[in-house]
Amino acid sequence: AQSVTQLDSQVPVFEEAPVELRCNYSSSVSVYLFWYVQYPNQGLQLLLKYLSGSTLVKGINGFEAEFNKSQTSFHLRKPSVHISDTAEYFCAVSRNTGNQFYFGTGTSLTVIP
Amino acid sequence: GAVVSQHPSWVICKSGTSVKIECRSLDFQATTMFWYRQFPKQSLMLMATSNEGSKATYEQGVEKDKFLINHASLTLSTLTVTSAHPEDSSFYICSARGWGADYNEQFFGPGTRLTVL
Repeated sequence: AQSVTQLDSQVPVFEEAPVELRCNYSSSVSVYLFWYVQYPNQGLQLLLKYLSGSTLVKGINGFEAEFNKSQTSFHLRKPSVHISDTAEYFCAVSRNTGNQFYFGTGTSLTVIP
Repeated sequence: GAVVSQHPSWVICKSGTSVKIECRSLDFQATTMFWYRQFPKQSLMLMATSNEGSKATYEQGVEKDKFLINHASLTLSTLTVTSAHPEDSSFYICSARGWGADYNEQFFGPGTRLTVL
């Protein structure tokens, strides 16, 4: 079975500072990895995904993530955050094409002016 | 990109009534749809998976007689909360995957906020 751990439930960061949101997973098989953002009272929006190939994945809104197979991690980074990045961020894994997604517990990112 | 809509976006109902939530794939054929429930400040919990034309597969602990799921067409799935009670109040999100969209990905609807009084 797969599981996803987001180590930080809340991350406050000042505007224009860099940020890293951590995600670790456990799986005995190859997985696909995703990061989603959720604004209040809205659904999930895909930020980026790793399926195969280059381990550094670039997504929307200036976010990127690096897949590290040896450390089973998929941390999300942004070099300079904006107020508008304040939201809930979820890491998710799936075992193969479109199969069940396993979500982490989420990280609440708060950007401080 | 693939778009999934949900209707209604929010609903308030009295205890004991039934509520139907629709999930539609607007520009692709959703062979599989997923229904999630999200409590405040918590992650998404998968309730059930439905394949078009088949009975839904429910996750352990989810009452199939209470949460009726129908996936009768490639663009529409419905979740009916029967005899709703205040503890059913939650944010319900559907997602879909299928042909005409990136098959590796699930596309999420905007969610439906259910409040049972």
